[in-house]
Amino acid sequence: EVQLVESGGGLVQPGRSLRLSCAASGFTFDDYAMHWVRQAPGKGLEWVSGISWNSGSIGYADSVKGRFTISRDNAKNSLYLQMNSLRAEDTALYYCAKVSAPLRFLEWFDYWGQGTLVTVSS
Amino acid sequence: SYVLTQPPSVSVAPGQTARITCGGNNIGSKSVHWYQQKPGQAPVLVVYDDSDRPSGIPERFSGSNSGNTATLTISRVEAGDEADYYCQVWDSSLCVFGGGTKLTVL
Repeated sequence: EVQLVESGGGLVQPGRSLRLSCAASGFTFDDYAMHWVRQAPGKGLEWVSGISWNSGSIGYADSVKGRFTISRDNAKNSLYLQMNSLRAEDTALYYCAKVSAPLRFLEWFDYWGQGTLVTVSS
Repeated sequence: SYVLTQPPSVSVAPGQTARITCGGNNIGSKSVHWYQQKPGQAPVLVVYDDSDRPSGIPERFSGSNSGNTATLTISRVEAGDEADYYCQVWDSSLCVFGGGTKLTVL
């Protein structure tokens, strides 16, 4: 059974940093691209970042480019999101999501975690 | 940047057909994916590649895509279909979601 479990969220002051993690199990992690998608309270889904199976392809939304860094550790079946210079508008539930097909990057998301909440406030 | 436009809300009576649209410039040339999200839950894929259904999704869910509009159709709507629905595409290696449509079952 595929499981994605996010952690690392919390309350942080504007301008500070936070690192999110996503622990994956139930599939061959190093075959699949992974993505972060966020949802502000009461709002819609917003793609944040994605990383290919071998970290060779990485993409960011314009809203986070230069502030957030995605990475993965295939030996630990884990995905990360380093978030720096956080702003109030980064407040959201952050989901990690798995793409559907191995070795592909621009695919649909077939599994999602339950999310970890990040609140940026002074 | 590429924009996907969805109606904020759609209402339908049980047993009827709901159609949720997703508009985008020449969206017919892209693959469109649809997600269902119920309150307090993570999104669930209901249609991928315009019209394919993942295993476990009822045949009542179908999709189409042509020109500037993609459509998610839910036949014989049930109370349990009440949720937010999002369309999604890739454009220039960036993932784009529509703003979401709240489906209300009357």
